[in-house]
Amino acid sequence: EPEVTQTPSHQVTQMGQEVILHCVPISNHLYFYWYRQILGQKVEFLVSFYNNEISEKSEIFDDQFSVERPDGSNFTLKIRSTKLEDSAMYFCASSESGARNYGYTFGSGTRLTVV
Amino acid sequence: RKEVEQDPGPFNVPEGATVAFNCTYSNSASQSFFWYRQDCRKEPKLLMSVYSSGNEDGRFTAQLNRASQYISLLIRDSKLSDSATYLCVVNGGTGRRALTFGSGTRLQVQP
Repeated sequence: EPEVTQTPSHQVTQMGQEVILHCVPISNHLYFYWYRQILGQKVEFLVSFYNNEISEKSEIFDDQFSVERPDGSNFTLKIRSTKLEDSAMYFCASSESGARNYGYTFGSGTRLTVV
Repeated sequence: RKEVEQDPGPFNVPEGATVAFNCTYSNSASQSFFWYRQDCRKEPKLLMSVYSSGNEDGRFTAQLNRASQYISLLIRDSKLSDSATYLCVVNGGTGRRALTFGSGTRLQVQP
């Protein structure tokens, strides 16, 4: 079964440092997403990406965040200057275009710990 | 009012029991509805989409009431492997693909 691959599985970084989280979406999918889940809280939408541009973003996705699709397969989330409150599990997801009731496939996540 | 509201549980049920979860959502423009399951510290996995006509997948039945903005999930003949958190998920409206998650309902199936 096709899957979304995320690396690294765990990233520890010092406050103020930049981090880049990596994702390889499913190859025939056209829509890509980042979500995050702070420990013990609900999954929250960050950003969606289609046709090489951001199509939607949430209030959480402020200027310290950026996304990029540097080549035909990777999809990255960059956090420019990490804060303690950025500590969370970050999930990448992808979906095909098509029927509105089609759900996403999530990757297994990157646990980001900011110290 | 929370965008997607669920009873956090936990629901502790014996194997073989039937259990039902409910969810309400606040955005009347939502067009897509799902149930996901999430195991501890894992990614959400799509369990099923939810349609107005109701739909069934094996032991799982989902219902949607648009007028009441209410979604339900019924699990019959619970298995130990059904123990997980069940997430009610809706989209933001026509053309919007961002998903809004509920906080989840925890199910513990006991032998």
